[in-house]
Amino acid sequence: AQSVTQLDSQVPVFEEAPVELRCNYSSSVSVYLFWYVQYPNQGLQLLLKYLSGSTLVKGINGFEAEFNKSQTSFHLRKPSVHISDTAEYFCAVSSMDSNYQLIWGAGTKLIIKP
Amino acid sequence: GAVVSQHPSRVICKSGTSVKIECRSLDFQATTMFWYRQFPKQSLMLMATSNEGSKATYEQGVEKDKFLINHASLTLSTLTVTSAHPEDSSFYICSATDRGNGYTFGSGTRLTVV
Repeated sequence: AQSVTQLDSQVPVFEEAPVELRCNYSSSVSVYLFWYVQYPNQGLQLLLKYLSGSTLVKGINGFEAEFNKSQTSFHLRKPSVHISDTAEYFCAVSSMDSNYQLIWGAGTKLIIKP
Repeated sequence: GAVVSQHPSRVICKSGTSVKIECRSLDFQATTMFWYRQFPKQSLMLMATSNEGSKATYEQGVEKDKFLINHASLTLSTLTVTSAHPEDSSFYICSATDRGNGYTFGSGTRLTVV
């Protein structure tokens, strides 16, 4: 069965510093990988996704993620964060074998310190 | 890009009444729609998966007679919370996909049962 682990429930970081939010998954089949962001009191917004091709995926708002098959990871990075990046970030995985059902990580709260 | 419209965004209802939440894919055909519930400060909990024209598949622990899901067309799914009680108060989010190539989320519905 597929599972997704986001090791950090909270990540505090100073404004303009780089950040990495970690995501590891377990699956025996080819997967699709996603990062979503949820701003306070709002729905989810897709940041980026990996379906196939280049393992380095660029998304919106300056975020990028790298698919590492050998380490079964899909960590999210941003070189310089802003106060507006304060939000909850969710990693998710799906595959054709699971009828495209998204399996979610528990989420990581990104806290930007001024 | 793909857009999913979910409404209402907020609803307050009296205990014992029913509430219907709509989820529409505006510019693509949603072969599969998902309904999630999000408890405060927690990740999303998948409630059910529905494929157009078939009965929804409910996750373990979700009462199908209480949370009625209808996916009558490729662009519309509805979730009806029947005989709502205060413990049903939550944030409900729908998601739609066209064969798993991407997932688009609605903006969510904040249900408060008084």
